[in-house]
Amino acid sequence: EDQVTQSPEALRLQEGESSSLNCSYTVSGLRGLFWYRQDPGKGPEFLFTLYSAGEEKEKERLKATLTKKESFLHITAPKPEDSATYLCAVGASGTYKYIFGTGTRLKVLA
Amino acid sequence: DTAVSQTPKYLVTQMGNDKSIKCEQNLGHDTMYWYKQDSKKFLKIMFSYNNKELIINETVPNRFSPKSPDKAHLNLHINSLELGDSAVYFCASSPSSGSVNEQFFGPGTRLTVL
Repeated sequence: EDQVTQSPEALRLQEGESSSLNCSYTVSGLRGLFWYRQDPGKGPEFLFTLYSAGEEKEKERLKATLTKKESFLHITAPKPEDSATYLCAVGASGTYKYIFGTGTRLKVLA
Repeated sequence: DTAVSQTPKYLVTQMGNDKSIKCEQNLGHDTMYWYKQDSKKFLKIMFSYNNKELIINETVPNRFSPKSPDKAHLNLHINSLELGDSAVYFCASSPSSGSVNEQFFGPGTRLTVL
């Protein structure tokens, strides 16, 4: 069964304290892995798409990487405005579905 | 110029009532989705339409019925509402179902069943 697991469930960082969020996946054939950011009371906002192992994408303080079993979202020198829930999703072969993880709630303290 | 819009933003209703949520996208996308997000923030796919054709129909009660009058609109009608239907419902769109694309989400509709 296709599955996506994110860890940790929640993370508190001091401003400037770098860390990584993990997304582990089990799918029959990975067509793409997506990272989204969700602020309270809003819909998820697209961040990155990764298609193959070894691929990396960067945007400001965020960097996403992909291996054959997991993806990491690295946050470098975070700021309070980076506080949000970060969601990982995968698109698998043979299906139109996107399977989401339960997210990591990130809180960055000033 | 909102990309994906939903109405209403909040919906409070009694058990047993019938209600609808509307969704519109102005991105020119071919594919639209309905997701349910529970209290633990888990996003679960319910339905998807590609060019007005139903392509995903997950195991949801048949009290839920999607309707796509055209490829820019996907509405969700819910009959005989139950307490367990309380959740946030998100509409999303993506360029095509044939390739793997990012999705654009609406602001969500918070449904509360009393």
